[in-house]
Amino acid sequence: NAGVTQTPKFQVLKTGQSMTLQCAQDMNHEYMSWYRQDPGMGLRLIHYSVGAGITDQGEVPNGYNVSRSTTEDFPLRLLSAAPSQTSVYFCASSYSGFRDTDTQYFGPGTRLTVL
Amino acid sequence: AQTVTQSQPEMSVQEAETVTLSCTYDTSESDYYLFWYKQPPSRQMILVIRQEAYKQQNATENRFSVNFQKAAKSFSLKISDSQLGDAAMYFCAYRGNSGNTPLVFGKGTRLSVIA
Repeated sequence: NAGVTQTPKFQVLKTGQSMTLQCAQDMNHEYMSWYRQDPGMGLRLIHYSVGAGITDQGEVPNGYNVSRSTTEDFPLRLLSAAPSQTSVYFCASSYSGFRDTDTQYFGPGTRLTVL
Repeated sequence: AQTVTQSQPEMSVQEAETVTLSCTYDTSESDYYLFWYKQPPSRQMILVIRQEAYKQQNATENRFSVNFQKAAKSFSLKISDSQLGDAAMYFCAYRGNSGNTPLVFGKGTRLSVIA
């Protein structure tokens, strides 16, 4: 298993540009989520999905869109990049919220800089 | 809303010694999960240890153990026989058991290991 993969690893954007961060997992996990990590802030949830076709907002959803057309993929779209979106982005997945399979697996992260 | 607090932004420990990282959380739920994640300079999030709230026994994984005090809402991580490779950011995280609830992270503790 490749686990959770993210592309790209690094990205530099100009203010106003749009782009998509890719996330894929090959563990047949139903639950996927996106976090951003900023210095001194820990990880904050952007959006999450409990299965194909179902998404919901997390703590900091503004400026981001997601969709879940397949179980494997969960892309994060930045509609119009702003300097405040400079951060490290992590994708994570897990089977579900059920008791015995609750561990989340994280991707390697994407470092995004918006100039 | 659930919150997770790590009151020690930075800690240091001598190689081969023992260190304890603190974590407290706030919740009204009775059933939940607690986690410690390690983030080395590679930025990868690595699960160190997990604890189910319904289990009274403290979780242990090799040199890593927790002190789970449910009434006090405290979840500290003890690292024994510290090694240079233990140097990293450590995040405490909470996840409820009501449906597909996301992880809530603390802001992290940076651990340095002194040779």
